Amino acid sequence: NAGVTQTPKFQVLKTGQSMTLQCAQDMNHNSMYWYRQDPGMGLRLIYYSASEGTTDKGEVPNGYNVSRLNKREFSLRLESAAPSQTSVYFCASSEQDYLQYFGPGTRLLVL
Amino acid sequence: KNEVEQSPQNLTAQEGEFITINCSYSVGISALHWLQQHPGGGIVSLFMLSSGKKKHGRLIATINIQEKHSSLHITASHPRDSAVYICAVKGGGSNYKLTFGKGTLLTVNP
Repeated sequence: NAGVTQTPKFQVLKTGQSMTLQCAQDMNHNSMYWYRQDPGMGLRLIYYSASEGTTDKGEVPNGYNVSRLNKREFSLRLESAAPSQTSVYFCASSEQDYLQYFGPGTRLLVL
Repeated sequence: KNEVEQSPQNLTAQEGEFITINCSYSVGISALHWLQQHPGGGIVSLFMLSSGKKKHGRLIATINIQEKHSSLHITASHPRDSAVYICAVKGGGSNYKLTFGKGTLLTVNP
């Protein structure tokens, strides 16, 4: 099993460009999450999906949209990237609210 | 919003030492998580606990709900334990949101 996979691993964008971060899990988990991690700050929840067909805002949702495409896949979209969105993005999944399994992360630089 | 404080922020130990990392939170919770972030950036969940104590190999996690405090202990530390250890708490109800501490950077020297 691959666990949680994320693409891409690295990305450089110019301000105003758009992009979608992809996440997939093969553990048949109902819940999926998107976090960002910035230096000196803890992980912060952007959006989460408690189950297929539902999504909810987390702590820092502004500037992002999400899609729970099916039970396996949960994508994060930046419609118009800003330098403040430079960060490392982690996707995670869990069965209900038990242990979360994290993807390897995507490093995003917005110039 | 729950505030999660970890101490110490940085910890350097010699191989073989007993390590303790602390986590305190401000509001009642339903569960507390401990995670490990490797130097390469990958994050691994170690424990989820809501009471008492859990053990996995050389790692032991304890929680005192009344005192709003948890500890992560590492026995017989090894350089491969060098990582950032992160505490996260979940409030009550069906809300799946976790609030994370900023982490404790542990360096174990040979």
